[in-house]
Amino acid sequence: AQRVTQPEKLLSVFKGAPVELKCNYSYSGSPELFWYVQYSRQRLQLLLRHISRESIKGFTADLNKGETSFHLKKPFAQEEDSAMYYCALSGGTSYGKLTFGQGTILTVHP
Amino acid sequence: NAGVMQNPRHLVRRRGQEARLRCSPMKGHSHVYWYRQLPEEGLKFMVYLQKENIIDESGMPKERFSAEFPKEGPSILRIQQVVRGDSAAYFCASSPRAYESGGYTFGSGTRLTVV
Repeated sequence: AQRVTQPEKLLSVFKGAPVELKCNYSYSGSPELFWYVQYSRQRLQLLLRHISRESIKGFTADLNKGETSFHLKKPFAQEEDSAMYYCALSGGTSYGKLTFGQGTILTVHP
Repeated sequence: NAGVMQNPRHLVRRRGQEARLRCSPMKGHSHVYWYRQLPEEGLKFMVYLQKENIIDESGMPKERFSAEFPKEGPSILRIQQVVRGDSAAYFCASSPRAYESGGYTFGSGTRLTVV
């Protein structure tokens, strides 16, 4: 069975501080991991995926297979980063079915 | 391209009524996925459909829930005889191909409240 755990329901930081949103997964094969973001009153949108190894809006995430983690990081948080963040895993099917974590609400204070 | 359109945005139903949630995928997308988000929980997969076919309904409750994606028109998620526990946000996503590596386009969701 596959599972995604985001241990922090709420995370608060001040503007300019580093931020790390934790994500741990459980999956026996080779997963694909994603971070989705939902800003206030907007729809869920893909932030980044591990296979592309890209940085979006200053965020990065590295897949650590040894620790089964895919933590999302940003060195200097901005107020506009305040949103709900979901970690998601795709594996075991041919069509990208996603298993989501419970989500972390990030609040960046001025 | 208007993106994935879901309607209604909010739906209130009394216990025992039927709820019909509609999802119009992005133009050119023939693959639709439904997810449900219960209060205080993450999104959970319900069903994956292609035009006129249900491919995977492993996340659908065994009773009262059904989904379709006809040749013409939107995908419909139908909940019969709703109960309070059905209150949730229902999200639809679409993709142009079967495997989009999770990069779907999501709709804004329908918030169902059962009173």
